[in-house]
Amino acid sequence: NAGVTQTPKFRVLKTGQSMTLLCAQDMNHEYMYWYRQDPGMGLRLIHYSVGEGTTAKGEVPDGYNVSRLKKQNFLLGLESAAPSQTSVYFCASRPAAYEQYFGPGTRLTVT
Amino acid sequence: AQKITQTQPGMFVQEKEAVTLDCTYDTSDQSYGLFWYKQPSSGEMIFLIYQGSYDEQNATEGRYSLNFQKARKSANLVISASQLGDSAMYFCAMREIQGAQKLVFGQGTRLTINP
Repeated sequence: NAGVTQTPKFRVLKTGQSMTLLCAQDMNHEYMYWYRQDPGMGLRLIHYSVGEGTTAKGEVPDGYNVSRLKKQNFLLGLESAAPSQTSVYFCASRPAAYEQYFGPGTRLTVT
Repeated sequence: AQKITQTQPGMFVQEKEAVTLDCTYDTSDQSYGLFWYKQPSSGEMIFLIYQGSYDEQNATEGRYSLNFQKARKSANLVISASQLGDSAMYFCAMREIQGAQKLVFGQGTRLTINP
């Protein structure tokens, strides 16, 4: 099992550009999550999904959209990137048990 | 709303000493879960230990133990016999039991182990 993978690992965007971050898991987990981590802070939840075809807003959803068309993939989109979205983005997935499995993170810089 | 507070931005400990990282939480839920994650300089999030709110015994995982005091709403992480490889950021997190079971994280504590 590859676990939770994230693509890309690093990205630099100019203000106003768009991009999509891909999260993939091969563990057949129902629940998937997108978090962001800013310097000196813990992770904050952006959006989450409780199953294929479902999405919901988390703590800091503004400026992001998500889609879960396939159970194994959870996409995070930035339609018009802003410098305030410079952050490290983590995806996580979870089975019925309690532990969330995290991906390695994507470091995004918006100039 | 749930909230996690970690009041120690940084901790410095000598190798082989025990260290306690503080975590207090606030919630109106009766059922919840508490987690500790380690984030080394490489950036990944590593699960360390879990405590359920109804668990009567404190959780232990190898050198890690969770000192759970429900009445005081605290869930401190204790690392025994610290090692150089324990140097990292440590995050306390709470998970709601119902619904999507989202995690709420504290601000983290940076632990440095000195040789």
